[in-house]
Amino acid sequence: GNSVTQMEGPVTLSEEAFLTINCTYTATGYPSLFWYVQYPGEGLQLLLKATKADDKGSNKGFEATYRKETTSFHLEKGSVQVSDSAVYFCALKNKAAGNKLTFGGGTRVLVKP
Amino acid sequence: GAVVSQHPSWVICKSGTSVKIECRSLDFQATTMFWYRQFPKQSLMLMATSNEGSKATYEQGVEKDKFLINHASLTLSTLTVTSAHPEDSSFYICSVTGTSTDTQYFGPGTRLTVL
Repeated sequence: GNSVTQMEGPVTLSEEAFLTINCTYTATGYPSLFWYVQYPGEGLQLLLKATKADDKGSNKGFEATYRKETTSFHLEKGSVQVSDSAVYFCALKNKAAGNKLTFGGGTRVLVKP
Repeated sequence: GAVVSQHPSWVICKSGTSVKIECRSLDFQATTMFWYRQFPKQSLMLMATSNEGSKATYEQGVEKDKFLINHASLTLSTLTVTSAHPEDSSFYICSVTGTSTDTQYFGPGTRLTVL
């Protein structure tokens, strides 16, 4: 079945530091890959997505590239802000699983001023 | 994207009572709605998928008689936790999608505490 593994947190950074959150997956076929962000007390928001190999999703300074050869979709941001403090979820979806989202465990990121 | 609301945002109830949680799609025709459960500091677990006008499809291990889901219209789905017990305490989140997109849009969640 499908599975998503992402690095455990919490990740604590200073403002303007570089952020990387690793995400690897196991799935049949060619899944679509997503990063969702959950701010404190809120639901999930779609941050970015990629639907095929070598696609790069980007939004709000965050980027992630769909790497089929390494089954990875690592999230990066070059210069984080305090407002980026949140929990980040990597997820995938494919037809084999009825197009249901499979989430990773989430990574809590705390950015200090 | 779609705007999704949930009501209530939090609820505290006594053991043995039933609680209804509403999920509304405010500006989007939600042909499919999903209900998730999230335990503290853990990921989301899909409970069930519902299509408008049809019975919900429950994931393995989720009791359909305990978690009643109704998706009567394209803008409203309800989750009723029947005879709630402390172990049902959790954060319940809904999401919606439609025929024009494969993106899921999430509600803000409802925190249920059963005493």
